[in-house]
Amino acid sequence: GAVVSQHPSWVICKSGTSVKIECRSLDFQATTMFWYRQFPKKSLMLMATSNEGSKATYEQGVEKDKFLINHASLTLSTLTVTSAHPEDSSFYICSARDPDRYEQYFGPGTRLTVT
Amino acid sequence: AQKVTQAQTEISVVEKEDVTLDCVYETRDTTYYLFWYKQPPSGELVFLIRRNSFDEQNEISGRYSWNFQKSTSSFNFTITASQVVDSAVYFCALSSHSWGKFQFGAGTQVVVTP
Repeated sequence: GAVVSQHPSWVICKSGTSVKIECRSLDFQATTMFWYRQFPKKSLMLMATSNEGSKATYEQGVEKDKFLINHASLTLSTLTVTSAHPEDSSFYICSARDPDRYEQYFGPGTRLTVT
Repeated sequence: AQKVTQAQTEISVVEKEDVTLDCVYETRDTTYYLFWYKQPPSGELVFLIRRNSFDEQNEISGRYSWNFQKSTSSFNFTITASQVVDSAVYFCALSSHSWGKFQFGAGTQVVVTP
C-alpha cells in the first residue's frame, strides 16, 4: 500500500531555535498534504492544508508565521516550527492525498520536544 | 461545521471481554465519510475502517465489527473477545471526502488487562 514517511521521527531542540519536519509520499504524487498536531492524551487537530505550488491554508488560531509550511514538490511538504518554545512540544502528524486512488494516508508522526 | 463526539474517555476491560466504543457525529453534508483509527503507544495511526454515508451496512472484520446508523448519527465500534494487544487509543473521524481533511473525535483509551 501507499506509504507516507516523516522525518525525523523525534527531535529535541532548545527554546528559540527552529526545527523542520518533512513529510514525504513515497510511491505517489500528493497534490495535497495535511498537518495535524496532537498534545499528550488529546485528539488530533488540523493545523493546515498544504497544496503543491501554492500557499498553505491555515486553520483558525494557528499562527502562520510560527508554523511555516512549504509544499514545493508533489512528494514533499515541510513544516518548520520557528523560534520554538516548550509549549510547541507536541506530536505532529502529516497525511497525504493520493488523487489517483482517492485515498489519504497518514505518516508515522514526529515527536517534538522543546527544552 | 462538523463534529465528532466520543464520550468515553477510557474503557478498561479484562481480556476476552467485549468492548464497544461509541461515536456520534454531526454534519450538514449529505455525503460524508466516517473512519476509525487505532493509535498504539508508538503514535502511528492504524487505519481500521472507512464508511461512506450511503453505505449503512454493518461490517465485521475478524474480532472487529462496526454499526453505522444514520438515524442516530452513530458509528460504533465493537471489539469482541478483547486481547492485550488491543490496548490503544481509538479515534473516530469524519470527513467530507475519503481524501479530505479529518475532524477527529477526542479518542477513547482502551485498556485490556490479562
